[in-house]
Amino acid sequence: VLTQSPGTLSLSAGERATLSCRASQSLSTAALAWYQQKPGQAPRLLIYAVSRRATGIPDRFSGSGSGTDFTLTISRLEPEDFAVYYCQLSGSSPFGGGTKVEIK
Amino acid sequence: QITLKESGPTLVKPTQTLTLTCNFSGFSLSTSGVGVAWIRQPPGKALEFLALVYWDDDKRYSRSLRRRVAVMKDIPKNQVVLTLTNVDPADTGTYFCTHRVDTVGYDSWGQGIFVTVSS
Repeated sequence: VLTQSPGTLSLSAGERATLSCRASQSLSTAALAWYQQKPGQAPRLLIYAVSRRATGIPDRFSGSGSGTDFTLTISRLEPEDFAVYYCQLSGSSPFGGGTKVEIK
Repeated sequence: QITLKESGPTLVKPTQTLTLTCNFSGFSLSTSGVGVAWIRQPPGKALEFLALVYWDDDKRYSRSLRRRVAVMKDIPKNQVVLTLTNVDPADTGTYFCTHRVDTVGYDSWGQGIFVTVSS
């Protein structure tokens, strides 16, 4: 089980966002991925294998972590970054409950 | 360029079987490491993994839906079909099909199809 926190993050453009994804048990695989979803759209792959950016993803997005604790960091929020973010461990595992990044 | 598109009924009655088709292009489901999955999202809620079929016909299912869900691939037609039996209003939501490369993740998604379960 993956638990994401906080549920909602209220920030301003230009600020740093730190999103957490915690696993219920230590992960021996590095298959953690992060997805971004905007209203009315399909999700988009941002980060895979914990820290690798998917094709076309700007370098303000970064992933880190190991064991049970993983983090998605957006170094400086752009207006288009306000969305919901999900983590998922591997292809067939449940997604986390999501973190909504909203404009403060 | 990879594209995926979901099709099927948008209204289903409770207890019926929902069958959705994912038509894809830009890749082959016979290529090692490639898979196609179904993921759904009830209105206002989080993403939920349903089923995944790999190039070698290895299949993975949601633990909670295992007894109701099945997935099949048709390589010549470039299709993956999802069936969900005995549907309930709680199955209402948007159903996405997605392309997966193992070790990478779900890197291409269809637009989704919204299915309502109602009598």
